[in-house]
Amino acid sequence: DTAVSQTPKYLVTQMGNDKSIKCEQNLGHDTMYWYKQDSKKFLKIMFSYNNKELIINETVPNRFSPKSPDKAHLNLHINSLELGDSAVYFCASSQYQSYEQYFGPGTRLTVT
Amino acid sequence: KQEVTQIPAALSVPEGENLVLNCSFTDSAIYNLQWFRQDPGKGLTSLLLIQSSQREQTSGRLNASLDKSSGRSTLYIAASQPGDSATYLCAANQAGTALIFGKGTTLSVSS
Repeated sequence: DTAVSQTPKYLVTQMGNDKSIKCEQNLGHDTMYWYKQDSKKFLKIMFSYNNKELIINETVPNRFSPKSPDKAHLNLHINSLELGDSAVYFCASSQYQSYEQYFGPGTRLTVT
Repeated sequence: KQEVTQIPAALSVPEGENLVLNCSFTDSAIYNLQWFRQDPGKGLTSLLLIQSSQREQTSGRLNASLDKSSGRSTLYIAASQPGDSATYLCAANQAGTALIFGKGTTLSVSS
């Protein structure tokens, strides 16, 4: 049983396009996160939602917009994609904020 | 602002060796510290989580320690195997925030 799943696994698109990445967790957790892993493999938090409410919003371009339709889902929409957006995006969840986090398999986004 | 540092950045050892990976953090007011493993092109697998009130956690050949006062955590791997080759990440968790990651230690175990 997949605990945290993401779709798609790979996403190749051109500059200027708009794309979405979906995340679902079946762990019954209250808190979900989006992290970005850059080309140097450094992981950094982007957003966090708790019970569908945005609680963490790091310095991220407003082209990135998270949406949480319910506790089990956290989607990431990216407008006007740029070359620098190429990275691996990881979704994670935890039972409550600051508890142990479980990560999805990642979505590798390549912008050409 | 919390910063997490991992030393060394890369480590190569022969099979069977015991080894220690180091992680340091600048703000001791952490809620917990989590160690992860990442294989190339894969996601993160949680290895061990140490609560701020704990000194160590063990899982099989892995032992993680935490010293909040000195801002340090170590991951000890006993009797290393080629299958242990991966990047190991530590991340500090403070109340009300998300994980702050180090840049990882890439471990290579040769047979």
